[in-house]
Amino acid sequence: SQQGEEDPQALSIQEGENATMNCSYKTSINNLQWYRQNSGRGLVHLILIRSNEREKHSGRLRVTLDTSKKSSSLLITASRAADTASYFCATDGGSLVFGAGTILRVKS
Amino acid sequence: EAGVAQSPRYKIIEKRQSVAFWCNPISGHATLYWYQQILGQGPKLLIQFQNNGVVDDSQLPKDRFSAERLKGVDSTLKIQPAKLEDSAVYLCASSEGQNQETQYFGPGTRLLVL
Repeated sequence: SQQGEEDPQALSIQEGENATMNCSYKTSINNLQWYRQNSGRGLVHLILIRSNEREKHSGRLRVTLDTSKKSSSLLITASRAADTASYFCATDGGSLVFGAGTILRVKS
Repeated sequence: EAGVAQSPRYKIIEKRQSVAFWCNPISGHATLYWYQQILGQGPKLLIQFQNNGVVDDSQLPKDRFSAERLKGVDSTLKIQPAKLEDSAVYLCASSEGQNQETQYFGPGTRLLVL
């Protein structure tokens, strides 16, 4: 079974708006990673946050991690049409376990 | 730097037939992973190699799936015989080390079993 569960399953926003995706997991982790997958393509690593970190930034991406609530969020600011993709969280407790993903659509 | 290469990109077979997928990881990456991604789901790890040794194959259906990485570089994943439920995208990924590492994914092989 998949450990990470993303919420919402799908999100549709206008270009320029912010997009927030959430991930919940069940067991202890070493780190949590976020990946993006464009339609018909492989996954691309976005950001890794370790279990002793609470927040991390990379360009327009901001990730938070709350280990007490076993949850993480990914914020994409000033979204662009090119951000349209599926976003997956993956928990690393020895091997990566992926959630089912959030489908993001950014309308121009 | 060349990325992870996979072939073929698409494959259509009938149930009970055999199929093989090939993966060439990023040069110098010791760890290689095979994932199965069913439509609408996230990738599920099938097998993880560290050089030419198996680290984790707990979710590999060993009655029909096999994988090898003989020289610690490229790898093949085989399904024999295929079932309808094997229809999925098979993703190969590699990383420099084994733990807490970013994984680099190939484009995947889309398999349809009829």
